[in-house]
Amino acid sequence: EIVLTQSPGTLSLSPGERATLSCRASQSVSSSYLAWYQQKPGQAPRLLIYDASSRATGIPDRFSGSGSGTDFTLTISRLEPEDFAVYYCQQYGSSPWTFGQGTKVEIK
Amino acid sequence: QVQLVQSGAEVKKPGASVKVSCKASGYTFTSYGISWVRQAPGQGLEWMGWISAYNGDTNYAQNLQGRVTMTTDTSTSTAYMELRSLRSDDTAIYYCAREDNNGFLDYWGQGTLVTVSS
Repeated sequence: EIVLTQSPGTLSLSPGERATLSCRASQSVSSSYLAWYQQKPGQAPRLLIYDASSRATGIPDRFSGSGSGTDFTLTISRLEPEDFAVYYCQQYGSSPWTFGQGTKVEIK
Repeated sequence: QVQLVQSGAEVKKPGASVKVSCKASGYTFTSYGISWVRQAPGQGLEWMGWISAYNGDTNYAQNLQGRVTMTTDTSTSTAYMELRSLRSDDTAIYYCAREDNNGFLDYWGQGTLVTVSS
């Protein structure tokens, strides 16, 4: 199975700053089938990005995804107060689907 | 609007079984699959498996093979996940999610807390 490793584990930033989250796969992700999710405490995950770089419906354009092969990035251009949360990547190019361990974006 | 509404919290003893339901609305149920994902307290997300609402095909995570069964009832647009021989480390929030034909999870249920304790 494909192991996804997210870094850093925690990102401490201030509102208005840029956040760069990394997701590295143990082997190439087929067709760039990689998604990003946001999860806030007590809530279900929410889809942000699919197919590595496509924004899901209703997601603000400050969220962007990039990458291919084994290296993927989620960028939040300017952090808003509601963006402080945990972010997970997920690959769906090879069964079983797998998730990264998550990156927590916290207020500095 | 697409909604997935799950059944309520459960408390089970070790060795028992639990069956969680996920009622879908706002879309054609048989046009998408349903994945189940769980999250142990304070931990990350674990994909458990997938079922096609179109024909009932399933794909289960290897570590749950033999203990999990996923089914659907197309007459009520409801998906079910049954987990047997429960252990304490099965304590988690269980989510259902609509799976796009490619595999990403675009809508999620609210989650169902399953607690396994003697």
